Amino acid sequence: DAGITQSPRYKITETGRQVTLMCHQTWSHSYMFWYRQDLGHGLRLIYYSAAADITDKGEVPDGYVVSRSKTENFPLTLESATRSQTSVYFCASSEGHSQPQHFGDGTRLSIL
Amino acid sequence: DQQVKQNSPSLSVQEGRISILNCDYTNSMFDYFLWYKKYPAEGPTFLISISSIKDKNEDGRFTVFLNKSAKHLSLHIVPSQPGDSAVYFCAASALRTGANNLFFGTGTRLTVIP
Repeated sequence: DAGITQSPRYKITETGRQVTLMCHQTWSHSYMFWYRQDLGHGLRLIYYSAAADITDKGEVPDGYVVSRSKTENFPLTLESATRSQTSVYFCASSEGHSQPQHFGDGTRLSIL
Repeated sequence: DQQVKQNSPSLSVQEGRISILNCDYTNSMFDYFLWYKKYPAEGPTFLISISSIKDKNEDGRFTVFLNKSAKHLSLHIVPSQPGDSAVYFCAASALRTGANNLFFGTGTRLTVIP
């Protein structure tokens, strides 16, 4: 099925561990985004990418690393997880600069 | 500092009536506005958008109104249906700056009562 998929859907890990959240889209969209959703904040942008090998920071990038070696994939890595990174993470993509973003179903990450 | 605000956390409406969801923004550079709908355990789904060169955009039962002087937009759903029950997020972007990052409000939970 075409679309945007995130994996895993649920993840529990411990503080200090490294964890990678995966995002894959089949539309060949240029732009990809990572957001986190927390109570009282809505969705906040972590990192985004305008094309393969081009990434840039969003509103809350600290503690996160991204890469985009292929257009269709945009993994998000927490190098040393902290409890404050417990959240629901959403990946999104858009075809162009002024096009709507389309979201995956999210990864619920709990850090104990 | 929240640049996009949805001050009503929840709204209940009778089926068949109009639902009006409101959104305010503070950044005068925002020129592209969107509404997303979100069901539990799913990602936000794009609903409708409006550019700052317009003051109204309509798509079926959904209409978005933009008042630039008041930095306010609203989403009207007419008639409301039980399947519209979801959390609605307002989002804004400053495309003119070259960025297409979205800034989201905190959401309004709409309940349509049959």
